[in-house]
Amino acid sequence: KNEVEQSPQNLTAQEGEFITINCSYSVGISALHWLQQHPGGGIVSLFMLSSGKKKHGRLIATINIQEKHSSLHITASHPRDSAVYICAAEGPGFGNEKLTFGTGTRLTIIP
Amino acid sequence: KAGVTQTPRYLIKTRGQQVTLSCSPISGHRSVSWYQQTPGQGLQFLFEYFSETQRNKGNFPGRFSGRQFSNSRSEMNVSTLELGDSALYLCASGQGLEQYFGPGTRLTVT
Repeated sequence: KNEVEQSPQNLTAQEGEFITINCSYSVGISALHWLQQHPGGGIVSLFMLSSGKKKHGRLIATINIQEKHSSLHITASHPRDSAVYICAAEGPGFGNEKLTFGTGTRLTIIP
Repeated sequence: KAGVTQTPRYLIKTRGQQVTLSCSPISGHRSVSWYQQTPGQGLQFLFEYFSETQRNKGNFPGRFSGRQFSNSRSEMNVSTLELGDSALYLCASGQGLEQYFGPGTRLTVT
């Protein structure tokens, strides 16, 4: 049973649309990471959150600790945003796991 | 600062062989973590090293091992390779809770 759940698994949208990807987890955490992976495999760390909200350019990440839920938003989406987005949780509730990963959301932005 | 580097980037091995992968962290980072990514299982944590000591270990068999050197560079070793070990192996270095990933080593076992 994966203790970190992501939705949707796949998302296709038109360029310019507002995108939301959701992540929920089952136990208390010390941090929630949002990662981006392009074809070819390299992973870029987008955000690390322990509370509240962070913004970087067109990307916004929020976390609700009480509800054990985080969202990644992309405003004015662009084809270059097409990638797999992965959330990963970190904390003592996950035992010896440094990071426990969601299954990823494959985002495709159509021009 | 230079990013996390991993060598080699691609590797083909035969079942039963062993393999060693290398990871050089960002200068000043003392923590290095290793992850395996496969199409079936997704990303999974292998182990974490901090100041030459293994701090955490994921749920992988003893064929998977690692070490960290005094300059924080880390290696992971897989012995007696199996077809299922074919994967992208990623390392990440960190300070505190921040993680910075390397480009990965793609291992194919035939």
